[in-house]
Amino acid sequence: EPEVTQTPSHQVTQMGQEVILRCVPISNHLYFYWYRQILGQKVEFLVSFYNNEISEKSEIFDDQFSVERPDGSNFTLKIRSTKLEDSAMYFCASSEGPGGYGYTFGSGTRLTVV
Amino acid sequence: LAKTTQPISMDSYEGQEVNITCSHNNIATNDYITWYQQFPSQGPRFIIQGYKTKVTNEVASLFIPADRKSSTLSLPRVSLSDTAVYYCLVGGGRSNTGKLIFGQGTTLQVKP
Repeated sequence: EPEVTQTPSHQVTQMGQEVILRCVPISNHLYFYWYRQILGQKVEFLVSFYNNEISEKSEIFDDQFSVERPDGSNFTLKIRSTKLEDSAMYFCASSEGPGGYGYTFGSGTRLTVV
Repeated sequence: LAKTTQPISMDSYEGQEVNITCSHNNIATNDYITWYQQFPSQGPRFIIQGYKTKVTNEVASLFIPADRKSSTLSLPRVSLSDTAVYYCLVGGGRSNTGKLIFGQGTTLQVKP
C-alpha cells in the first residue's frame, strides 16, 4: 500500500531556530497538506498545496511558516523561528483530489522546541 | 464545512459490534462523509467514505439515512487493536481545497 513518508520522526530544536520538516507524498497524488496536533488536542489543518501554490491556509500558518515542493517529489514545511508553542506532531498528507477519498497521512514528525 | 457531533468516548469488549453515530445537521448537498481512525502518535488513517445509503469495505460499514443528517460507523467484531480515536468528517466536493476539519473524535476503548 502506498505511503506518505515523513522525516525525521522526532526533532528537538532550540527556541528561535529554524526547522524543516520533510515529506514524500504518494507519487500520483496532486494535493498536499500539513496538519499539526498538539499533545492531547485535536488535529489542526495548517495548509493545502496544489499546482505549486498554496490553495488554503489556516490562521496558524503565519509568516513563520512556509511550504515548498523543491524537486517534484518532496514537500517541506519550514518554521523560520520556532517557539515553544510550536511543539507538536506535524502530519503531512496527500490526496489524488480534494474530496477526501484516498487522503493519506504520514506517521508524523514530533517536534519538540526547548 | 459542516460541523459534526459524536460521542467523546465509548467502551466495548472484544468480539462485539461497535456502532459510532455522528450527527451533521448542516451537511451540504455536495458533502461526503468520511471516517478516520487514529492510534496514539500516528497520523489519521482513512477508514471509509460515503455519500448516501450504505457503504461496506473490508474494515467497516457506513450507514447514512436518507436525510444525511447523521451517519453511523459500524465496526464488526472489534479486537483490542481497534482501540483508537475515530473521527467523523463532512466535506469534500469539487470546489474544496482539501482541508479537513477534525473534531475531538470518539475514543473507543476495547476491553478483553
